[in-house]
Amino acid sequence: GQSLEQPSEVTAVEGAIVQINCTYQTSGFYGLSWYQQHDGGAPTFLSYNALDGLEETGRFSSFLSRSDSYGYLLLQELQMKDSASYFCAVNPGGFKTIFGAGTRLFVKA
Amino acid sequence: NAGVTQTPKFRVLKTGQSMTLLCAQDMNHEYMYWYRQDPGMGLRLIHYSVGEGTTAKGEVPDGYNVSRLKKQNFLLGLESAAPSQTSVYFCASSPGSGNTIYFGEGSWLTVV
Repeated sequence: GQSLEQPSEVTAVEGAIVQINCTYQTSGFYGLSWYQQHDGGAPTFLSYNALDGLEETGRFSSFLSRSDSYGYLLLQELQMKDSASYFCAVNPGGFKTIFGAGTRLFVKA
Repeated sequence: NAGVTQTPKFRVLKTGQSMTLLCAQDMNHEYMYWYRQDPGMGLRLIHYSVGEGTTAKGEVPDGYNVSRLKKQNFLLGLESAAPSQTSVYFCASSPGSGNTIYFGEGSWLTVV
């Protein structure tokens, strides 16, 4: 089977740094993506890692270790508007993208 | 920029009724998808299409049918709705496998 595991909830304070982990077990691997979804909204793309290492996009960074089947999303200088659900997703090859169950991030003042 | 547009946004169905969810994208993407999202279960792929005239089953295809008669449109049909199909449905598109997926705003379906 194919599965992605990520924590169900994370809570952090405004201005802090938070890391959301994702481990995956898939038949193939072509890349790890992260999506953000606010309540009642559509998932929107944040980042993509095809190779090992860190990708930085403003306050958000994403890391991948293919040998460990592991990645994480790092959010810095947290803002209240970052309160949302975050999904990791894997392209195992072919035409499908498989999503994790999502991590709900609560940012407190 | 319209992106991916879904209709209707909200619908209540009685058990056994049929309906079609419409999806249109204006980005000339080859790939289109239908996902359903349920609490605590993330996004699960129902059906997908890799080009006009093609469709394929995803993770949870039972009870649904799809058609891709035109490149820009991807229709999701429920022939005989069941309460288990109460969910939020997202249409999405991408230019190719492994690329960024662009989602529509979602369709909230309740089957009573």
